[in-house]
Amino acid sequence: SQTIHQWPATLVQPVGSPLSLECTVEGTSNPNLYWYRQAAGRGLQLLFYSVGIGQISSEVPQNLSASRPQDRQFILSSKKLLLSDSGFYLCAWSSLAGGWDTQYFGPGTRLTVL
Amino acid sequence: SQQGEEDPQALSIQEGENATMNCSYKTSINNLQWYRQNSGRGLVHLILIRSNEREKHSGRLRVTLDTSKKSSSLLITASRAADTASYFCATTRSDNTDKLIFGTGTRLQVFP
Repeated sequence: SQTIHQWPATLVQPVGSPLSLECTVEGTSNPNLYWYRQAAGRGLQLLFYSVGIGQISSEVPQNLSASRPQDRQFILSSKKLLLSDSGFYLCAWSSLAGGWDTQYFGPGTRLTVL
Repeated sequence: SQQGEEDPQALSIQEGENATMNCSYKTSINNLQWYRQNSGRGLVHLILIRSNEREKHSGRLRVTLDTSKKSSSLLITASRAADTASYFCATTRSDNTDKLIFGTGTRLQVFP
């Protein structure tokens, strides 16, 4: 069966510090991968998605970036965090592209930027 | 940008009652999905309804889709305290099928 992992689960970082969040998927190959951010009490905002290794589509211009160095690994990064980067970050995968298929979500990372 | 708007934003009911949540969207879609999120957790897929379908059932869940009104509803029958969660609709636009666009969610509280 497929599983999706995210770490860390929680993170408190000072403004201006770098960020690296990791997401890995097991039990499937060539998944479509997604990074979402959820502000407190709000819906999900799609940040990045990837249909293959090295292929990243950015949805929102900001100081975040994403990389996919391996088929089942998706990394969200920042060189300098802003206060507005605080939120709940969710990684998801699907077998088919985009909205044609169920998306399976990881447990999330709660990021607080102070 | 968010395409779906759920209504109501929050809903409180007693166990055993039915819960109805509505979702409205703005553009033509290929399909609409409903997800559930327990507090502080990831989302879990509930049901997917395609644009050529009008109604779908899964256990105690019933989803309807009215493409002429650009709206969908999620009905949870005989609710349980364990149904307490936030519920989101998500749409796939006809002109951009690469992604899901999530609504703002309905927070459901079921009291025992």
